[in-house]
Amino acid sequence: EPEVTQTPSHQVTQMGQEVILRCVPISNHLYFYWYRQILGQKVEFLVSFYNNEISEKSEIFDDQFSVERPDGSNFTLKIRSTKLEDSAMYFCASTETGGNQPQHFGDGTRLSIL
Amino acid sequence: SQKIEQNSEALNIQEGKTATLTCNYTNYSPAYLQWYRQDPGRGPVFLLLIRENEKEKRKERLKVTFDTTLKQSLFHITASQPADSATYLCALSSSSNTGKLIFGQGTTLQVKP
Repeated sequence: EPEVTQTPSHQVTQMGQEVILRCVPISNHLYFYWYRQILGQKVEFLVSFYNNEISEKSEIFDDQFSVERPDGSNFTLKIRSTKLEDSAMYFCASTETGGNQPQHFGDGTRLSIL
Repeated sequence: SQKIEQNSEALNIQEGKTATLTCNYTNYSPAYLQWYRQDPGRGPVFLLLIRENEKEKRKERLKVTFDTTLKQSLFHITASQPADSATYLCALSSSSNTGKLIFGQGTTLQVKP
């Protein structure tokens, strides 16, 4: 069964540095999402992306964050000037058609800010 | 603000019994409600989706109900097995097509042999 793949599985970064988290959604999917989950807390929506545009973003997704689909297969989340509180698991997800469909999640990137 | 509540206490049941998990929400009128399973260190895995105009959905040993008057969904696993042990997440979305999911904090289910 097709999978969403995320790399790296664990990223350790010094506070203040920039980090790029990478995702390869399922190949025929058109809608892409990023979520984060701070340890022991709920999964939180960050952003949805369709047709090379942000469809919706949460309050968390401020100017520190950006997303990009640089080619036909990758979907990236960039976090600038990382802070300690950015430490979390970041999940990428995709859907084939429309937003209100089952979302297929990757297994996440654990981001640790030191 | 929108609030989704799932029983934060772990649910412990005996193998073969039916597990019932609850999802309550306030200050929101979701058009869709989804249930996901999450294992430690893994991403959520989709289980079932139910629309606001549907009362019940079934898939194999799984059943979900959606009561928009009570603002509640119940998720049932019949003939539970130790392999069903995981955290189960309730997620809501509106009728907009952006796909934004609002998750509950999840309920951990432990099925004992």
